[in-house]
Amino acid sequence: QKEVEQNSGPLSVPEGAIASLNCTYSDRGSQSFFWYRQYSGKSPELIMFIYSNGDKEDGRFTAQLNKASQYVSLLIRDSQPSDSATYLCAVKAGGGADGLTFGKGTHLIIQP
Amino acid sequence: EADIYQTPRYLVIGTGKKITLECSQTMGHDKMYWYQQDPGMELHLIHYSYGVNSTEKGDLSSESTVSRIRTEHFPLTLESARPSHTSQYLCASSDQISVYGYTFGSGTRLTVV
Repeated sequence: QKEVEQNSGPLSVPEGAIASLNCTYSDRGSQSFFWYRQYSGKSPELIMFIYSNGDKEDGRFTAQLNKASQYVSLLIRDSQPSDSATYLCAVKAGGGADGLTFGKGTHLIIQP
Repeated sequence: EADIYQTPRYLVIGTGKKITLECSQTMGHDKMYWYQQDPGMELHLIHYSYGVNSTEKGDLSSESTVSRIRTEHFPLTLESARPSHTSQYLCASSDQISVYGYTFGSGTRLTVV
């Protein structure tokens, strides 16, 4: 069974610091990797996706992928209180399999 | 601007009532999904569809049913609501999953009293 693992947290980070969120996956053939942000009581919204090894930057967000080690991470620079949310890692398996497998999410708290 | 719409946004209903949660998307996506999520908990896939007249049950057993008569419409029905059905229900759709992932609707928060 394909698994996506995240530390549930809460992860507490001071405002202005770098928040680092990690995710590991079990299916070595996974193709694409997504980070969703979910505010309490709201639906998930896509903030980053990555499918090549290395880093991908978008504003204050950087996604990092290491397929050999089967982990993907999300860095949030200059953390703001508005970044406080649950961050979901989602993985698209390879081999023609369809659908995304979601992790349980990491609850991030940015302390003013 | 949302391209996937869920109604109602909130619903409080009595035990034993039949309810239908609506989900519509204007993006022409073939694939649609229903997730159930309790507050602070993980997403659970309960139903999905890969096209018209195609529906499958997800990982989490659910007493709900779905239909897919039109590409844009994927309603979820509970024939007899119970307090255990109280939860948030999220609808999502996708096209090229590998590139774009899922787009989620705003969700329906259901309370059965």
